[in-house]
Amino acid sequence: QSVLTQPPSASGTPGQRVTISCSGSSSNIGTNYVYWYQQLPGAAAKLLIFRNTQRPSGVPDRFSGSKSGTSASLAISGLRSEDEADYYCATWDDSLSGPVIFGGGTRLTVL
Amino acid sequence: EVQLVESGGGLVRPGGSLRLSCAASGFTFTHFAMNWVRQAPGKGLEWVSTITLSGITTYYADSVRGRFTISRDNSNNTLFLQMNSLRAEDSATYFCAKSRYGVGDADFDSWGQGTLVTVSS
Repeated sequence: QSVLTQPPSASGTPGQRVTISCSGSSSNIGTNYVYWYQQLPGAAAKLLIFRNTQRPSGVPDRFSGSKSGTSASLAISGLRSEDEADYYCATWDDSLSGPVIFGGGTRLTVL
Repeated sequence: EVQLVESGGGLVRPGGSLRLSCAASGFTFTHFAMNWVRQAPGKGLEWVSTITLSGITTYYADSVRGRFTISRDNSNNTLFLQMNSLRAEDSATYFCAKSRYGVGDADFDSWGQGTLVTVSS
């Protein structure tokens, strides 16, 4: 069970807006940047959001990140079929000896 | 273009050893921390280990500390993961990932395609 809690699944119809949450604590999300990764079926992970809210070049502005206190969220607007994937939050934890942690992942289904 | 190509995976018996490699190209290898992340079949991502630019400082997940050793050859732009005393629960696809900067973050901006490790008798 991960230190970062994500819902195991989420879904939406094309064009909808969906949000995926990531809950942590003061030693991780509360004091460090949050990152979001997208993993398409059968592929390696891809950085989607860095430093809580920033998008790497090439990532559509339909994807946005936010952080408040010890929680973070990934929002996807104008949902498309190609967004169907697993999404992971990740951060650094100051209290752990093995300091990088991933959330358990959220499988997004586009209905 | 950044390229990370892992190799060295395969089938190994419990208690055995494997050495994974990650050949890096398309960026100045010595300027970035490097990482290993794994994913067991049907499971989520699990961070395994990180090494600093110089290779002097390393970090490990509790699940592998004392059994795995991360290292790098900056002359040949290659990252390694020596895995000893392997267990069934180490079976996973192992990804090499480049840090955007140094350590202190979960900021992995490029990933390889992974190499599969299966630990089974």
